[in-house]
Amino acid sequence: DAKTTQPNSMESNEEEPVHLPCNHSTISGTDYIHWYRQLPSQGPEYVIHGLTSNVNNRMASLAIAEDRKSSTLILHRATLRDAAVYYCILHPTETSYDKVIFGPGTSLSVIP
Amino acid sequence: ETGVTQSPTHLIKTRGQQVTLRCSSQSGHNTVSWYQQALGQGPQFIFQYYREEENGRGNFPPRFSGLQFPNYSSELNVNALELDDSALYLCASSILARGDTQYFGPGTRLTVL
Repeated sequence: DAKTTQPNSMESNEEEPVHLPCNHSTISGTDYIHWYRQLPSQGPEYVIHGLTSNVNNRMASLAIAEDRKSSTLILHRATLRDAAVYYCILHPTETSYDKVIFGPGTSLSVIP
Repeated sequence: ETGVTQSPTHLIKTRGQQVTLRCSSQSGHNTVSWYQQALGQGPQFIFQYYREEENGRGNFPPRFSGLQFPNYSSELNVNALELDDSALYLCASSILARGDTQYFGPGTRLTVL
């Protein structure tokens, strides 16, 4: 099962951009890359996902390496509400989530 | 659009007891997945239901079982509770499709004494 590796923790100053890296060297050709985040005392929240091309939405941008072995979640201007654990996971194309593996994620701290 | 809801919020049980946790899926979603999240860890997949049938299972023993109802609400049942079952239990609903997004509920915090 394809796994991802992320730094345990990162810090950012408020209103500065944040780049959260994720390595997924064993990704298969049809795995989607998904990012979720989990605020304290809440369930995970979808952030963004992509397959091959870079993606933008109102929350963040996702930059995917050309070989797809790594990706970066970009928060353009960190706010205090962005302090959370960020998970990078791979979604295979099979119609079951039994191969979806959440690691411990990256705990992002935002400094005022 | 109503989001995913779970009940109860918190629960305390003793070892050996049985527990039922409930989840109400987001409107229009036909798939529900259950996860166990230990403190400081990412969620671990327990199982998934699609149109009332189990459609994938993680590495959990048979004492973890579930149901999905015609209105796509769901239950997670755990028999013979063990101390290690203490965790946050999350359900997530989705429209089953390749690479589709899951929408998580706030979770039920289970403590086993």
